[in-house]
Amino acid sequence: DVKVTQSSRYLVKRTGEKVFLECVQDMDHENMFWYRQDPGLGLRLIYFSYDVKMKEKGDIPEGYSVSREKKERFSLILESASTNQTSMYLCASSPQTSGYTFGSGTRLTVV
Amino acid sequence: EDQVTQSPEALRLQEGESSSLNCSYTVSGLRGLFWYRQDPGKGPEFLFTLYSAGEEKEKERLKATLTKKESFLHITAPKPEDSATYLCAVLTIYNQGGKLIFGQGTELSVKP
Repeated sequence: DVKVTQSSRYLVKRTGEKVFLECVQDMDHENMFWYRQDPGLGLRLIYFSYDVKMKEKGDIPEGYSVSREKKERFSLILESASTNQTSMYLCASSPQTSGYTFGSGTRLTVV
Repeated sequence: EDQVTQSPEALRLQEGESSSLNCSYTVSGLRGLFWYRQDPGKGPEFLFTLYSAGEEKEKERLKATLTKKESFLHITAPKPEDSATYLCAVLTIYNQGGKLIFGQGTELSVKP
């Protein structure tokens, strides 16, 4: 089975901190994605990547950046965390044109 | 604009009471429609992929169907363990790869 592993299940960070969320997949998938999920708003795409060192903005990229130095790893960076970035963050990966496999999620609280 | 709409937003059933969840979509060229199940505090778990109108897939008490404009997830004789949020998504081609567009989900609650 494909596994997508997110480094933390729960994180608590202070306003203004730089936050790194890590995601690793083990099936050599080309595509990787970062979403956030909030009640009433559903899943919203932050950034995605189709290849190493390649990134594309999703629907809500403001306040975030990403890094993909290796095919298996896709990192989401909150440059200066704010309370409105408190959310569930979900990473996913997929082959070229297929459905996603999701990680377990990271629940981030910014205080 | 590509769009996915799920209804109802929430559904409460008694154990054994069959029902259906709806997913309607407007997309410029359907490449696939996906159903996921999500339990509270966890990532979505893949259930089905449907590619063409008329296609059906089954897994235990769940059956997914697809027409040219919508998909249904039929739940037959549900049990409390079927309680979860069910997400529908359509695959669109974007640049070099594919991107899923998600609906808002239907929160299903099955009472014993």
